[in-house]
Amino acid sequence: GQQLNQSPQSMFIQEGEDVSMNCTSSSIFNTWLWYKQDPGEGPVLLIALYKAGELTSNGRLTAQFGITRKDSFLNISASIPSDVGIYFCAGQGDYGGSQGNLIFGKGTKLSVKP
Amino acid sequence: DARVTQTPRHKVTEMGQEVTMRCQPILGHNTVFWYRQTMMQGLELLAYFRNRAPLDDSGMPKDRFSAEMPDATLATLKIQPSEPRDSAVYFCASGLRQHGELFFGEGSRLTVL
Repeated sequence: GQQLNQSPQSMFIQEGEDVSMNCTSSSIFNTWLWYKQDPGEGPVLLIALYKAGELTSNGRLTAQFGITRKDSFLNISASIPSDVGIYFCAGQGDYGGSQGNLIFGKGTKLSVKP
Repeated sequence: DARVTQTPRHKVTEMGQEVTMRCQPILGHNTVFWYRQTMMQGLELLAYFRNRAPLDDSGMPKDRFSAEMPDATLATLKIQPSEPRDSAVYFCASGLRQHGELFFGEGSRLTVL
């Protein structure tokens, strides 16, 4: 079945540092999405990518859709304490003409040292 | 402020009891997804609907789980009978077919004793 490998699983960073995380897949996806989940809440969409090679920013966040369509990365610049949370990548294919399932990575838990 | 609404937010029940979770998708969205989140498995897709029709429920234990959309404003996920291994957070999400973006509710945290 479809699987996404998300790394790293967790990271501690100093406030102000840049952060990078990525997702890879053995399958091709048509859409890559990045979500953030805070404790006790549902995942919130951060960035959506629809074209291979696409680079999209949302404030301090930047994400790219890999050329091979099998990977994506998310960068956070100048991290701040409120960046703490779990970041999920999600990929969507298009199987048999119907909307494909949105497959999620296992998440990257981000902790910031104050 | 459009959002996906889920009830209940928390449910504690005893093994064998029936549990029903409800979801009101964002008005105008035509796809609804149910996910289950646990520490071990992460986010697992249970079922999804497009225009109220079930498209895929292969991730759902058929003997005890059922998902329905009685109308465009309500999706339900039922577990009967519930078991301790069903303890998890259940998320509903809605979206539009032409986009991959899904918008999640705040989840229903289920504890089965």
